[in-house]
Amino acid sequence: AQTVTQSQPEMSVQEAETVTLSCTYDTSENNYYLFWYKQPPSRQMILVIRQEAYKQQNATENRFSVNFQKAAKSFSLKISDSQLGDTAMYFCAFMKQRSAGNQFYFGTGTSLTVIP
Amino acid sequence: EAQVTQNPRYLITVTGKKLTVTCSQNMNHEYMSWYRQDPGLGLRQIYYSMNVEVTDKGDVPEGYKVSRKEKRNFPLILESPSPNQTSLYFCASHPAGFMNTEAFFGQGTRLTVV
Repeated sequence: AQTVTQSQPEMSVQEAETVTLSCTYDTSENNYYLFWYKQPPSRQMILVIRQEAYKQQNATENRFSVNFQKAAKSFSLKISDSQLGDTAMYFCAFMKQRSAGNQFYFGTGTSLTVIP
Repeated sequence: EAQVTQNPRYLITVTGKKLTVTCSQNMNHEYMSWYRQDPGLGLRQIYYSMNVEVTDKGDVPEGYKVSRKEKRNFPLILESPSPNQTSLYFCASHPAGFMNTEAFFGQGTRLTVV
């Protein structure tokens, strides 16, 4: 079975500082995708960043970057120059391919507060 | 604009009164899912559908039904809602391909069963 673990239920960071959210996962698959989704108070689920497991290079999207350690099954999200708009719940997600269709698994979320 | 549309966004109902939450996507995606989000539990999959007339149970299907008569629509049906189904519900869709895919989510439906 696939599991996704986010061990930090809540975090806070000062505006303009850097924060790292942790995520670990458990799988026997060799090829899969990992995602970070952001859920602001509006409740909308927004894709932040995506990483393909067969790519060694860590994905980056502007102020957001990941540290993907495949052997350790770790996928942390780094937010640089934190902004008030980054305040949200962040979900780590794992996707594997199945004959019946791709299957997503989500972590329990980390609530991030950016302090002015 | 590519989107997944859920309705209603908020719903308060009484125990036992049948309800339907609608979901529609305009991206011609084959794959659609329903999730419920509860504090400390993250998103858990209720049901999913691989294509028209093809559905299967997710991790928490008890008390729910779905149908997929058209590719764009995937309603969630609670035939006899109970208070433990009070939750935030999300519909999601994504294409069948594995490369460069992502899940697209609706706006969420906050359901309260009293």
